[in-house]
Amino acid sequence: EVQLVESGGGLVQPGGSLRLSCGTSGFTFSDYWMNWVRQAPGKGLEWVASINQDGTEKYWVDSVEGRLTISRDNAKNSLNLQMISLGVDDTAVYYCVSGLFSGWLQYWGQGVLVAVSS
Amino acid sequence: SYELTQPSSVSVSPGQTARITCSGDVLATKSARWFQQKPGQAPVLVIYRDSERPSGIPGRFSGSSSGTTVTLTISGAHVDDEADYYCYSSADNTHWVFGGGTKLTVL
Repeated sequence: EVQLVESGGGLVQPGGSLRLSCGTSGFTFSDYWMNWVRQAPGKGLEWVASINQDGTEKYWVDSVEGRLTISRDNAKNSLNLQMISLGVDDTAVYYCVSGLFSGWLQYWGQGVLVAVSS
Repeated sequence: SYELTQPSSVSVSPGQTARITCSGDVLATKSARWFQQKPGQAPVLVIYRDSERPSGIPGRFSGSSSGTTVTLTISGAHVDDEADYYCYSSADNTHWVFGGGTKLTVL
């Protein structure tokens, strides 16, 4: 059974930092692109960032450039999202998503909430 | 950047056909995917490459494309199909965009 489990979310003050992790099982992690997709409360889905199988290609939405960094550890079957200089607009449920090709959103985690508030 | 535009809501009675559109210049040359999201759940892919249906998705879900618009059609909508639906595409296969989402009401 494919499983993706996000962790590391919580409440953080504006300007603060947070590191999200995603542990995976049930598929060959190193064969898959990995992605972060977020959803602000009551709002729509937003693609945030993607990373290819060996970590040599990384892409992100313009609004997070320089603040959110995607990385992966194929030895540990895990995906990370380092977030700095967080603002209230970053408040959202963050989903870890895998897919065989770029942009393929095939397997989803259940999401983790990041709340940015003073 | 570019946008994908969807109606905010669509409403049908059970058994009727629901059509949800998604418009954007990128769709003239790039294919789209459709996701279904029910409250409190992660999204589920229901259509890819404009009209292909993943295994396990009921046959009443179909997709089509014409010019800069793609359409998700649910033929004979069930009450259980009530959800938010999002289209999704990319101009360069590296940066991806979702439509704003359409709330489908079946009652």
